[in-house]
Amino acid sequence: GAGVSQSPRYKVAKRGQDVALRCDPISGHVSLFWYQQALGQGPEFLTYFQNEAQLDKSGLPSDRFFAERPEGSVSTLKIQRTQQEDSAVYLCASLGGPSYEQYFGPGTRLTVT
Amino acid sequence: AQTVTQSQPEMSVQEAETVTLSCTYDTSESDYYLFWYKQPPSRQMILVIRQEAYKQQNATENRFSVNFQKAAKSFSLKISDSQLGDAAMYFCAYRRNTDKLIFGTGTRLQVFP
Repeated sequence: GAGVSQSPRYKVAKRGQDVALRCDPISGHVSLFWYQQALGQGPEFLTYFQNEAQLDKSGLPSDRFFAERPEGSVSTLKIQRTQQEDSAVYLCASLGGPSYEQYFGPGTRLTVT
Repeated sequence: AQTVTQSQPEMSVQEAETVTLSCTYDTSESDYYLFWYKQPPSRQMILVIRQEAYKQQNATENRFSVNFQKAAKSFSLKISDSQLGDAAMYFCAYRRNTDKLIFGTGTRLQVFP
């Protein structure tokens, strides 16, 4: 596709369930970022990949959060044993293009009940 | 650590008028990039304008322009001839090289006919 896609767009999980959020970056983009956006706030960095290598995971809030990009393209953000404070929009962005910008996907809204 | 501050939670403007959104940032780096992103209710984050810190000339994109004051660490966005479609959340963001984006808390812009 022409842009970054994310699925699902909406996810409702019961507290304690595991969830997996998918990001399809723009084809050919080497770098991929995940951000967490709480209601009424700006996005906050979670983790960063260059190809399949996770170069920075300093923003992951706990060891319940895990991200992977095994073939250097699609990435999955997994949250284990979800808690209410995990409720947020999760944004994915891939970096590339002639001006080397981050292009964002539409996000996945996660609600933990 | 770098920080980005947007002190205006909400702004409003009449259609066809001009509005300025404020942003200040803190960094000890000399080489970096600044951005304004627009996020409509649909959530897709869209790049409005970017400024390279090494450039003295203020960036302009059609009706959007910035006032970049490097010494004061200030980066405001001016929207001229405001349109109803400009209504959205606007986020100021900082980035060093190809690193992660650091966002402010956002300004909600309302446009009245």
